[in-house]
Amino acid sequence: AQSVTQLGSHVSVSEGALVLLRCNYSSSVPPYLFWYVQYPNQGLQLLLKYTTGATLVKGINGFEAEFKKSETSFHLTKPSAHMSDAAEYFCAVSDRYNNNDMRFGAGTRLTVKP
Amino acid sequence: DAMVIQNPRYQVTQFGKPVTLSCSQTLNHNVMYWYQQKSSQAPKLLFHYYDKDFNNEADTPDNFQSRRPNTSFCFLDIRSPGLGDAAMYLCATSRGLDSNQPQHFGDGTRLSIL
Repeated sequence: AQSVTQLGSHVSVSEGALVLLRCNYSSSVPPYLFWYVQYPNQGLQLLLKYTTGATLVKGINGFEAEFKKSETSFHLTKPSAHMSDAAEYFCAVSDRYNNNDMRFGAGTRLTVKP
Repeated sequence: DAMVIQNPRYQVTQFGKPVTLSCSQTLNHNVMYWYQQKSSQAPKLLFHYYDKDFNNEADTPDNFQSRRPNTSFCFLDIRSPGLGDAAMYLCATSRGLDSNQPQHFGDGTRLSIL
């Protein structure tokens, strides 16, 4: 079964600095990969997803992620952090040959300092 | 806007007193999910419906039940809530069971047990 590891339960950056949230996956087959964001007391909102094709995926709010098969990674980046980016971020993986088996990582809480 | 709506946003119940949480969707999606999310943890899938077909996760306690009377509505029933059931409950939908389909989440119901 596939799984996801998010390195760093808390990440703190200054406003305007680069955001890098790490996600590594384990899967015996090529995975589908997702990043979701959760603001306080809200549900999860899809930021971006990788299914096939271009390995650099652009999402909403200026975020992007790159699928690196050789590193089994799908790290989330944003060139310049904004205060409104402070939230919990979840990486998720699903098995393209096994419907409806999405696994979430434990989440990374992003804090943005003024 | 098409969306997933959960009511109520906050629910307080007494230990052992049955409680029902509701979810409705205007996306006309086939699949509806219920997740339990405890503080600082990833969402944990409890069960899902594909149309009227109910699928329970193996480790979901018998205390948790669900009903889906029609495409738009899905309910989570907790028959005898214990203190350990205090959590955020998230409803989500997807167009189908294909693994590349993202899930669309409601804002959740935060359940407290007295």
